[in-house]
Amino acid sequence: AQSVTQPDIHITVSEGASLELRCNYSYGATPYLFWYVQSPGQGLQLLLKYFSGDTLVQGIKGFEAEFKRSQSSFNLRKPSVHWSDAAEYFCAVGAPESGGGADGLTFGKGTHLIIQP
Amino acid sequence: DTEVTQTPKHLVMGMTNKKSLKCEQHMGHRAMYWYKQKAKKPPELMFVYSYEKLSINESVPSRFSPECPNSSLLNLHLHALQPEDSALYLCASSQDPLRPQYFGAGTRLSVL
Repeated sequence: AQSVTQPDIHITVSEGASLELRCNYSYGATPYLFWYVQSPGQGLQLLLKYFSGDTLVQGIKGFEAEFKRSQSSFNLRKPSVHWSDAAEYFCAVGAPESGGGADGLTFGKGTHLIIQP
Repeated sequence: DTEVTQTPKHLVMGMTNKKSLKCEQHMGHRAMYWYKQKAKKPPELMFVYSYEKLSINESVPSRFSPECPNSSLLNLHLHALQPEDSALYLCASSQDPLRPQYFGAGTRLSVL
């Protein structure tokens, strides 16, 4: 079975500074990888996804993520954060061999992003 | 359009009540999901419907009963819930089980 680790429970970043949120996965092959963002009391919004091909993927709101097979990582980055980026960020994995999302997604525990003015 | 609509947004119910949560999408997606999310925790999968057939039931208690009347609608029927069932219930859909999932805003359920 697949698993996801987000090592940082909270991260505080100054507005305008760069951001990197870490995600490590455990899976026997190349999984499907996703980053979602959740504002308080809201559902989850898909930021970006990786299935195959180019290991650097671009998403919405200026986010990007890089798949590194050798490190089993899929870290999320943004060059300059805005106060509106404050939210909970979830990394998730789907297993292609079992039908991708057919088993639903396995989520990491989330990273709470705080933006300092 | 990647909209998944969930109603109601908030629900308060007693332990003897029967209520239903509704989820609707008009994106032609053929896979739909129910997740439960407790405060400060990630979503946990409850049920998966693929092409209107229940394909996954993650050992959810029988007081939760899913229903997929057609490819656009997904219901979650609730009966005799416990206070620990209070949570945010999220619906998601995807084009098929291999595609990304899109989530609704959720129903915040409180069981008294």
